[in-house]
Amino acid sequence: AQRVTQPEKLLSVFKGAPVELKCNYSYSGSPELFWYVQYSRQRLQLLLRHISRESIKGFTADLNKGETSFHLKKPFAQEEDSAMYYCALSRGYGGATNKLIFGTGTLLAVQP
Amino acid sequence: GAGVSQSPSNKVTEKGKDVELRCDPISGHTALYWYRQSLGQGLEFLIYFQGNSAPDKSGLPSDRFSAERTGGSVSTLTIQRTQQEDSAVYLCASSLVAGGRSYNEQFFGPGTRLTVL
Repeated sequence: AQRVTQPEKLLSVFKGAPVELKCNYSYSGSPELFWYVQYSRQRLQLLLRHISRESIKGFTADLNKGETSFHLKKPFAQEEDSAMYYCALSRGYGGATNKLIFGTGTLLAVQP
Repeated sequence: GAGVSQSPSNKVTEKGKDVELRCDPISGHTALYWYRQSLGQGLEFLIYFQGNSAPDKSGLPSDRFSAERTGGSVSTLTIQRTQQEDSAVYLCASSLVAGGRSYNEQFFGPGTRLTVL
């Protein structure tokens, strides 16, 4: 079965501390993995995707196929990073539908 | 440019009533998705439209839920005989095209918050 697991509902850190939001997935194939973010009173938006291998707002995520994980990391958290973060997957290349399967989300709270 | 828009932003209804939720995708986007965001369930896929192809309805939770997309643009999600467990935020997203060798980013609307009393 296709599933995305985010074990932490809430992650609270102090400004300047490192952040790691955990994401594990199960999928019988080669999925594409994403992180979406929803800031307070804003709409859901794409943060980054594994195929891009880029850093957005200081965040990076590495796909580990052996551990079926796609953890989101940032070395120094900022207060403006406080938001709800969702890990998601979709069928990989050649899929007829790019519907997204989301985890339940992790609320990141960065304290001053 | 204009993003995905949804209406109404909030809807309160009584159990047993029918409701219609509307989504206006980004102009030119051929793929349209509906998701549901509820407490403890995260975001669940409901239905997907792509051009003139038959919609993927695999995520609809019951036959009380239906959706249509007229003229390849605006979409309406209808919930008949609403139940309290239907209370959630209903999100619409659109993208340029789905499938193929690349993922096309889904752009989300602000959502409709449905409360069933």
